Amino acid sequence: SYVLTQPPSVSVAPGKTARITCGGNNIGSKSVHWYQQKPGQAPVLVIYYDSDRPSGIPERFSGSNSGNTATLTISRVEAGDEADYYCQVWDSSSDHPGVVFGGGTKLTVL
Amino acid sequence: QVQLVESGGGVVQPGGSLRLSCAASGFTFSSYGMHWVRQAPGKGLEWVAFIRYDGSNKYYADSVKGRFTISRDNSKNTLYLQMNSLRAEDTAVYYCAKEREIVVVPVSPFDYWGQGTLVTVSS
Repeated sequence: SYVLTQPPSVSVAPGKTARITCGGNNIGSKSVHWYQQKPGQAPVLVIYYDSDRPSGIPERFSGSNSGNTATLTISRVEAGDEADYYCQVWDSSSDHPGVVFGGGTKLTVL
Repeated sequence: QVQLVESGGGVVQPGGSLRLSCAASGFTFSSYGMHWVRQAPGKGLEWVAFIRYDGSNKYYADSVKGRFTISRDNSKNTLYLQMNSLRAEDTAVYYCAKEREIVVVPVSPFDYWGQGTLVTVSS
């Protein structure tokens, strides 16, 4: 089955740029979605179809996807961005198609 | 506004059964595919199942295939997850989630999630 690999944790100082990667075999050929989850809350969609941003999500959030790596970039990081972030794809390449989530990355704002 | 409200969680013994419900409002339920996603305590998100808008197509994670059944009643705007032969590793918060677009295969992101219902499998 398809595997998405995320770093368990990323730390960044306020005002700096955070980059969270999501690795997968030829992930550039798939559509990647990103979710933010704060403790005790349901996930929230922050980037979809690699780089689109839902209404209400700050422009500081952006995404890219190429080759074997998709990246969520958060510019001018704020304390309120501290959360777990998950990438997600639909994998139809195997005998058992399904939705796949990355293991999640905990973003810590120093 | 869109609302998804899960119910039916609780404590169940290993080997037991439980049926979760997700009541939807604020959108045309019968037009959108729906998913169940779970999260074990302190762990990441795990996709469980998908059902197409009309119920004609369903997909399951390997970990639940043959034990869980996703279904929907469009006349009641409700999504279901029938869980049988429950195991300790099924212990999790179960979320229902709505697809953002009307699609044939579930490539669409999830734009709305419920608050989740906790299922605990323990003797």
